[in-house]
Amino acid sequence: DVKVTQSSRYLVKRTGEKVFLECVQDMDHENMFWYRQDPGLGLRLIYFSYDVKMKEKGDIPEGYSVSREKKERFSLILESASTNQTSMYLCASTKAAGSSYEQYFGPGTRLTVT
Amino acid sequence: QKEVEQNSGPLSVPEGAIASLNCTYSDRVSQSFFWYRQYSGKSPELIMSIYSNGDKEDGRFTAQLNKASQYVSLLIRDSQPSDSATYLCAVNGPGYSTLTFGKGTMLLVSP
Repeated sequence: DVKVTQSSRYLVKRTGEKVFLECVQDMDHENMFWYRQDPGLGLRLIYFSYDVKMKEKGDIPEGYSVSREKKERFSLILESASTNQTSMYLCASTKAAGSSYEQYFGPGTRLTVT
Repeated sequence: QKEVEQNSGPLSVPEGAIASLNCTYSDRVSQSFFWYRQYSGKSPELIMSIYSNGDKEDGRFTAQLNKASQYVSLLIRDSQPSDSATYLCAVNGPGYSTLTFGKGTMLLVSP
């Protein structure tokens, strides 16, 4: 079974703090993704990575950065957290292009910025 | 900009009935189509994928794809209260690993 894990289920941070969200997958998937999900707005892609040290902006990258130093690990960084970044953050992974593109999600991190 | 449209619902069906969930997409070259189930407060779980026109059955679930009309549907037979969730439709294009998600349809199955 594909397994995607995220470092925290719930996180509360203060405005201005630097926040790290980590995601690890154990299926040797090349591609990894970070989404946020908000009521009424659905899933929105923040960043994705198709290889170690590679990253691509998604639809809403502003205020976020990412890091992929190892194939199995993809980190999302909020440089200076703001209240409008309160959201559910979801990590996903899939095999490389040419495959079925089935994405598998981690359990999510509910981040609250106060 | 690719778009994936779903009726937000809620779609209410009695236990044992067939639930029919629909999705339309804008990008004609899309090749891969997925249905995810998401329980409240949980992450999306992949339940069906379909790549060619026609029907694909898996247990109580049937995915239907019509590329000419640009729609994909999910039928849930013998609906159970445990099927109550939000169902997300997702679509990707050729050679791209990113998915575009609809906003989901909430399904409520009453006992």
